[in-house]
Amino acid sequence: EAQVTQNPRYLITVTGKKLTVTCSQNMNHEYMSWYRQDPGLGLRQIYYSMNVEVTDKGDVPEGYKVSRKEKRNFPLILESPSPNQTSLYFCASSSGQGGNQPQHFGDGTRLSIL
Amino acid sequence: AQSVSQHNHHVILSEAASLELGCNYSYGGTVNLFWYVQYPGQHLQLLLKYFSGDPLVKGIKGFEAEFIKSKFSFNLRKPSVQWSDTAEYFCAVKLWAGNMLTFGGGTRLMVKP
Repeated sequence: EAQVTQNPRYLITVTGKKLTVTCSQNMNHEYMSWYRQDPGLGLRQIYYSMNVEVTDKGDVPEGYKVSRKEKRNFPLILESPSPNQTSLYFCASSSGQGGNQPQHFGDGTRLSIL
Repeated sequence: AQSVSQHNHHVILSEAASLELGCNYSYGGTVNLFWYVQYPGQHLQLLLKYFSGDPLVKGIKGFEAEFIKSKFSFNLRKPSVQWSDTAEYFCAVKLWAGNMLTFGGGTRLMVKP
């Protein structure tokens, strides 16, 4: 089954404790992306990757890092989380390098930073 | 910077009413346009997309959208809504030549049985 898998689904942690949210897709998609969803703001793109070892900033990259060492994986790293990063996070992937095709979304990761 | 506006934040309708949700974007280049739906507790799913050709596109579950280039709009419509259409709807725009996808703020639709 084609899917985008995120882990964990829920996480409560404290300010400053490094965390990683994993994302994996099994569709051999070139384009992967991370979004955060906040009430009234819709989804805002954090980082995207057009292919292995190619990443770029989205609209709200501050406080986040990503890596794309393998085509299927695109982890989101919060080196020193802060309460304003409490949000619902979605990973997505699509075929084609430019992300012109519709995105396939994961089930989301709800992060609470205390 | 590119932006996408969805003017209706909350919409409440009765079953069988007609629906139109507005979406406007701010840039003039060639664009790819999408509508996604998020049912309660679920991830986003594609409703429909426009890349080129006929500006009236049909999607799943009876939804359609019309691209009006002169108005920079891509409004979503459904002639008769059902209770199961209760969800949040997101418009998204991507410059064909760019790499970023920009979402609107979402419209939360509640359909009363």
